[in-house]
Amino acid sequence: QQQVKQSPQSLIVQKGGISIINCAYENTAFDYFPWYQQFPGKGPALLIAIRPDVSEKKEGRFTISFNKSAKQFSLHIMDSQPGDSATYFCAASKDQGAQKLVFGQGTRLTINP
Amino acid sequence: GAGVSQSPSNKVTEKGKDVELRCDPISGHTALYWYRQSLGQGLEFLIYFQGNSAPDKSGLPSDRFSAERTGGSVSTLTIQRTQQEDSAVYLCASSLNGGLGYTFGSGTRLTVV
Repeated sequence: QQQVKQSPQSLIVQKGGISIINCAYENTAFDYFPWYQQFPGKGPALLIAIRPDVSEKKEGRFTISFNKSAKQFSLHIMDSQPGDSATYFCAASKDQGAQKLVFGQGTRLTINP
Repeated sequence: GAGVSQSPSNKVTEKGKDVELRCDPISGHTALYWYRQSLGQGLEFLIYFQGNSAPDKSGLPSDRFSAERTGGSVSTLTIQRTQQEDSAVYLCASSLNGGLGYTFGSGTRLTVV
């Protein structure tokens, strides 16, 4: 059962543009929503995370928007750069992250120079 | 160590053979997780160790898979009688006290021929 659905599967954005990746979840017990960035040959690295008590969190060029009623959250990358080209995964877990993460299927992002 | 270390980085094995994959977590991290990443797919939870508690084995796909964690540190994932569908990247992660922000290793790419 796919508990976290991620879209799109792939995304191409021009340098300087805004990259937007969306995720939807089913389990209302989830209370921790991280995004991971993965480069080829490397393990995923935590990028930014949010809890459901806030609707938005911003760290530099990366912003998570969270809509609890719709059970959706999204990652926005402002002023996208070629170095942002990677695969991005959303995830969710219960108990403030102290349990296993359920991952989305991933989005391969390409930033064209 | 400074990060999560996994070995080997690549493993090619014949169908039916047993394999052992090793994970050395960040020193002091009490929680350790194994995930599997199949080509073009998201991460699939396998098993979770937290301190001296009984491990959460709910993600192990069959009884051919097992894992142990010795002395609360190094973990070994064993796959017996490997099948071609076991081919994937096996990722290990650790976190402090099972809390937020996993740190992943670079993974072991397993190919069963």
